[in-house]
Amino acid sequence: DIQMTQFPSTLSASVGDRVTITCRASQSISDWLAWYQQKPGKVPKLLIKRASSLESGIPSRFSGSGSGTEFTLTISSLQPDDFATYYCQHYNSYPITFGQGTRLEIK
Amino acid sequence: EVQLVDSGGGLVQPGGSLRLSCAASGFSFSSYWMSWVRQAPGKGLEWVANVNQDGSAKLYVESVKGRFTISRDNAKNSLFLQMNSLRAEDAAVYYCARLLDSSSSIYDYWGQGTLVTVST
Repeated sequence: DIQMTQFPSTLSASVGDRVTITCRASQSISDWLAWYQQKPGKVPKLLIKRASSLESGIPSRFSGSGSGTEFTLTISSLQPDDFATYYCQHYNSYPITFGQGTRLEIK
Repeated sequence: EVQLVDSGGGLVQPGGSLRLSCAASGFSFSSYWMSWVRQAPGKGLEWVANVNQDGSAKLYVESVKGRFTISRDNAKNSLFLQMNSLRAEDAAVYYCARLLDSSSSIYDYWGQGTLVTVST
């Protein structure tokens, strides 16, 4: 199985900050990587697919990059609505696996 | 509007069974792969199972193989998860989710989730 490791597990930041979350795959997954945002008590929301393709309706301050085993999610200027938990997910092969999550909290 | 409504969760003893349901509306249900994804309280997301459009292809995470069965009824726009021999580690919120497309096992719509508690 492909293991997905995210870091940091928790990130403290302020409104307006630029933040980057990293996701590492245990083997190459090409660009078969998605990012989700989940707020407490809510369902996950798809942000990015194919490592860097922004979903419709997602603000342009979100961006993704990477291929192979190393990927990043960047938020260029944090907004109050962005404080949430972020998950990466590979879909290169079965079983599909998610990272353990990165909790983005207000500093 | 796409809607997925999960139901069927509850408290069950270890070794017991439960059947989850997901009622879909607002899209052509029979055209999409569907999935169950779970999330233990305070934990991350775990893929459980996928089923293709006509129910002929089913995939499971290793930990539930032989115990869980995913199925669908396209005439009733419904997805199901039959869970047998439940264990404490199966306790989670279970979400049904729609796959974005048949070539990408990523999820664009999710049900609200149904909580499964496994305890004596």
